[in-house]
Amino acid sequence: EVQLLESGGGLVQPGGSLRLSCAASGFTFSTYGMSWVRQAPGKGLEWVSAISGSGDSTDYADSVKGRFTISRDNSKNTLFLQMNSLRPEDTAVYYCEVSGGWGQGTLVTVSS
Amino acid sequence: QSVLTQPPSVSAAPGQKVTVSCSGSSSNIGSNFVSWYQQLPGTAPKVLIYENNKRPSGIPDRFSGSKSGTSATLGITGLQTGDEADYYCGTWDNSLSALVFGGGTKLTVL
Repeated sequence: EVQLLESGGGLVQPGGSLRLSCAASGFTFSTYGMSWVRQAPGKGLEWVSAISGSGDSTDYADSVKGRFTISRDNSKNTLFLQMNSLRPEDTAVYYCEVSGGWGQGTLVTVSS
Repeated sequence: QSVLTQPPSVSAAPGQKVTVSCSGSSSNIGSNFVSWYQQLPGTAPKVLIYENNKRPSGIPDRFSGSKSGTSATLGITGLQTGDEADYYCGTWDNSLSALVFGGGTKLTVL
C-alpha cells in the first residue's frame, strides 16, 4: 500500500523559505514520477511541480517557477520541495502525489 | 479559471445516479488519461478513477469513468449520504507541460 507522509509546513513571513518533505513507502520509489499539489483554503487543487523517477526531469507551474525547487533522494525514498521568496498567495495545504496516491498534506501559511 | 471545466455542483437523492462532466481540449483530455478524485470534507483527495475508467482496489463499482474526445465523465450510482464530497478531474496538459485539474464539483445527496 502506498503511504506518503508530508512534513515541514508552518507559519513563515512573506519573503521567507520553507522546505517540505514527503516520506514514501509501499512502492518502488525510484521508478515513479511524483508531484506536489496544493490547495488554498476553500479553493480547488493546483498542481505545483513534478519530478521524474530518476530526478533528471522537473516541471513547475508558472506561479512558482524560479521560486520553488523540487528534488528527491531515492536512497531515502523522500521527495522535497524547497520554497523560497514565499508570498501570501502560497498559503495552502501542500500534498505529495504519486500515481493517484496522496499524502495527508502539510499546511503552509505565509503571513506577517 | 481552471483549464478543465466542471459544474460547480450537482445533486441527487439517495439511491439515484449522478454524473459529473469534465471538459477540456485536445492538449489535455484529448491526448492523455483522465483521473477522478474524491475529497471528503477535511480530508486529502483520494483517487476514484485512473486511466479514464479504471478503479483502484477498494473503490466500489458504483463509481465509473468514461472519456470521449475532449470530455470525460464520472458516474456514481446508488448514491449514499457518505458520497457527499468534492470531486475533481485531472490530467496532463501537453501544451502547458503541467498537471491540470477541474475546479471541482460539490456533490450533495439530498
